[in-house]
Amino acid sequence: DAKTTQPPSMDCAEGRAANLPCNHSTISGNEYVYWYRQIHSQGPQYIIHGLKNNETNEMASLIITEDRKSSTLILPHATLRDTAVYYCIVRVAGTDKLIFGTGTRLQVFP
Amino acid sequence: DAGVTQSPTHLIKTRGQQVTLRCSPKSGHDTVSWYQQALGQGPQFIFQYYEEEERQRGNFPDRFSGHQFPNYSSELNVNALLLGDSALYLCASSLLQGENSPLHFGNGTRLTVT
Repeated sequence: DAKTTQPPSMDCAEGRAANLPCNHSTISGNEYVYWYRQIHSQGPQYIIHGLKNNETNEMASLIITEDRKSSTLILPHATLRDTAVYYCIVRVAGTDKLIFGTGTRLQVFP
Repeated sequence: DAGVTQSPTHLIKTRGQQVTLRCSPKSGHDTVSWYQQALGQGPQFIFQYYEEEERQRGNFPDRFSGHQFPNYSSELNVNALLLGDSALYLCASSLLQGENSPLHFGNGTRLTVT
């Protein structure tokens, strides 16, 4: 199963873009990259996912490198409510098995 | 549109007892999976159910078992509880379309084993 590597923590000023990196060098060609976040005492919240192309939705943008060995989640205008643990996940092909790491704890400050 | 709902929200059990946790998937979803999240760790996959059958299983002992009902709801059963089973148990649901259908998680059941 492909593993991901993320920095344990990051800070971001409110209103600025938060760029969260992730390495997934062992990803297979048919495995998707997913991003979730978890606020204390709640279940993980889906943010965005992609296979090889960059993706954007109302919450965030996902930039995947051409070799697919790394990706970056971008929150364009971080707010205090974006403070959470962010998980970068490679989804095992054909299953609902998500391999979570320890994630990045993002702290947004005023 | 109701999301994934889990019950109960909190539970305290004694070592050696058995516990049953319940999950109702998001409306329109047909696949349910269960995860265990220990304090300070990321969630770990327990198993996935589709069409009332276990389809995929993570590295958990047989003490962990499950069931999916015709209405797609699911139960997680844990027998012979150990102190180490204390964790947040998360249920997630999806529509079986392969990798392109995101999983949606409930807020979990906090199980404490004393």
